[in-house]
Formats: sequence, C-alpha cells, structure tokens
Amino acid sequence: NAGVTQTPKFQVLKTGQSMTLQCAQDMNHEYMSWYRQDPGMGLRLIHYSVGAGITDQGEVPNGYNVSRSTTEDFPLRLLSAAPSQTSVYFCASSSEGDTTGGQRQETQYFGPGTRLLVL
Amino acid sequence: AQSVTQLDSQVPVFEEAPVELRCNYSSSVSVYLFWYVQYPNQGLQLLLKYLSGSTLVKGINGFEAEFNKSQTSFHLRKPSVHISDTAEYFCAVSDPNDYKLSFGAGTTVTVRA
Repeated sequence: NAGVTQTPKFQVLKTGQSMTLQCAQDMNHEYMSWYRQDPGMGLRLIHYSVGAGITDQGEVPNGYNVSRSTTEDFPLRLLSAAPSQTSVYFCASSSEGDTTGGQRQETQYFGPGTRLLVL
Repeated sequence: AQSVTQLDSQVPVFEEAPVELRCNYSSSVSVYLFWYVQYPNQGLQLLLKYLSGSTLVKGINGFEAEFNKSQTSFHLRKPSVHISDTAEYFCAVSDPNDYKLSFGAGTTVTVRA
C-alpha cells in the first residue's frame, strides 16, 4: 500500500490564481480530511469527508472547496489564492477501525504534505 | 469544540536525559487523545493514543503517556532520549463520536549531544 499520497510537494502561486491539491489513499478508508499547518498554530481542520459524496466544513473552510466523488480521492481546491493561504497542507485518512466494545479504534494516517507559497 | 494546550513550545534536552511534554485539553466529557510526531520535512506519525482502559499508554520508540481525567491532561514522557527524537510533537483530541481532530500548537524537542 502506498498509504496517503499528496501532489504536488511544493507549489508557488500568484494571488488570484486557482489550483487543486491532490490527495489519494489506497486503504479503502471512509474518512478523509484536509488540515493546514502554520507556525505556532498546530494543524487546523479545513474540510472533511465521511464517505464518497459527503463533505463538511472544518474549523477554517473559507477560501477552499472540496469534493469526494470516489472513496480514494479527496482534492482540495483554491479558487482564488491569497497570501494568507501560504501554508503546509496535510491530507489524512482513517477507517472506522475495530469497533470492539462499541468503540472506534481508528488511527488517522497523514500524507507527506504540500508546501504552498502564495505571492 | 475541543481545545488543546501544549504548555511548552520549545524543549531542549541532552541525549540520554528524560523528557516530558505537557498537554492539557478542555473537555470534561469522554475524549480520545493522541500524540503525533513530525520529523523535519515529513508528515505526521502516530506515537500513541488513549481511547479507554489503562491510563498509562505505551507507544512507539519508547514513548509513553498518562491520561489524567481529573486534571484533563495527557503528558508524554520518554526516560532517555536520542538525537533521532529531535522533532515536533503534537497533542490532539477528538470526540469519540467524531473523526475530527483538534491539535495543540506543537512542542519542538531538540536533543543535543
């Protein structure tokens, strides 16, 4: 298994440009999410999906769109990039896992990240 | 919404010395707790997690953490660190009925010879 893959690894955009950050997983996980990492702020949830066709907003969704047409892929779209979106973006996935005793035992697996610079 | 406070942003430590990274969370209800490690220029890797049961949780690379419900804390410890433990460490919390993780700001551990 390749796990969680992200492309590109690094991208430079000009203000106002659009782009899509790709995320794919080959573990048949139901849950996928996007986080951004900024210095001193940890990781903050942008959008997440609990299955194909189902997405929802996280803590910092403004300026980002997502869709989930397949279980494997969860792209993140920036429609009009702004300097405030300069960040490192991580995609993660998890399964419901072992529900022994009624408790989920899931672990979230993270991709290697995409470093985005908006000028 | 859950919130997580990591009390130390930077922790310098000498090789073979012990280290403790402190984490407090806001919720008084049932939670899942996690520690992740991020090595330079890499993604996050799970060190350990607490879901229920024993309050002392053992993870990979000799790390362990203790869940203290009364103090809403989940501190991470290692009795003897190596140079290779130099990394950023994140504490995270989730609601057992929710997949979403809330992260602390991170603690950078620098191990010196």
